[in-house]
Amino acid sequence: EAGVAQSPRYKIIEKRQSVAFWCNPISGHATLYWYQQILGQGPKLLIQFQNNGVVDDSQLPKDRFSAERLKGVDSTLKIQPAKLEDSAVYLCASSLGRNNEAFFGQGTRLTVV
Amino acid sequence: TQLLEQSPQFLSIQEGENLTVYCNSSSVFSSLQWYRQEPGEGPVLLVTVVTGGEVKKLKRLTFQFGDARKDSSLHITAAQPGDTGLYLCADYTTSGTYKYIFGTGTRLKVLA
Repeated sequence: EAGVAQSPRYKIIEKRQSVAFWCNPISGHATLYWYQQILGQGPKLLIQFQNNGVVDDSQLPKDRFSAERLKGVDSTLKIQPAKLEDSAVYLCASSLGRNNEAFFGQGTRLTVV
Repeated sequence: TQLLEQSPQFLSIQEGENLTVYCNSSSVFSSLQWYRQEPGEGPVLLVTVVTGGEVKKLKRLTFQFGDARKDSSLHITAAQPGDTGLYLCADYTTSGTYKYIFGTGTRLKVLA
């Protein structure tokens, strides 16, 4: 069974530029999560989708971050404009449902210079 | 907001040594999970515990859940270089929306 796929693996951008990350969850998984993991810290939930609807985006900095999951399958996370403090690993995870084990992708490491 | 504090933050030991890492929550866990994250990878679930006082073993790893369900420990016996990684505790909280809240992590390095 294929795991959660994320791309790109690495991205370096200058501050104030825009960037987008892509996630393809495990087939059939209704719940999709985006986490931000700053170096040396545990992952922090940014947004959670159930199918194509947002369940929780309370910690998403909505002035610069946006995410969508239009067809309830793959998802994109965008940052516009990026700040230095956005440097982190962005992890995507998926689960069958909200009460099932979540499986994580390898993440995208973003460096903002 | 629930806070999960892990200790120690860093640990470097020799192969064959034993170690224990700790996770303490500011509130009662709904469902405690332990993950290991290797460099360049996402976290991988090791175990889920839900009952206070519960002890689970996974080969050389022993997980203990406090009676009051606010703390947990992970003990590794005879550590191996393959145990190197970031160990994260998490709560799958069901208050409000269902979501995972992760701890601060313990970074373990096992030297050969």
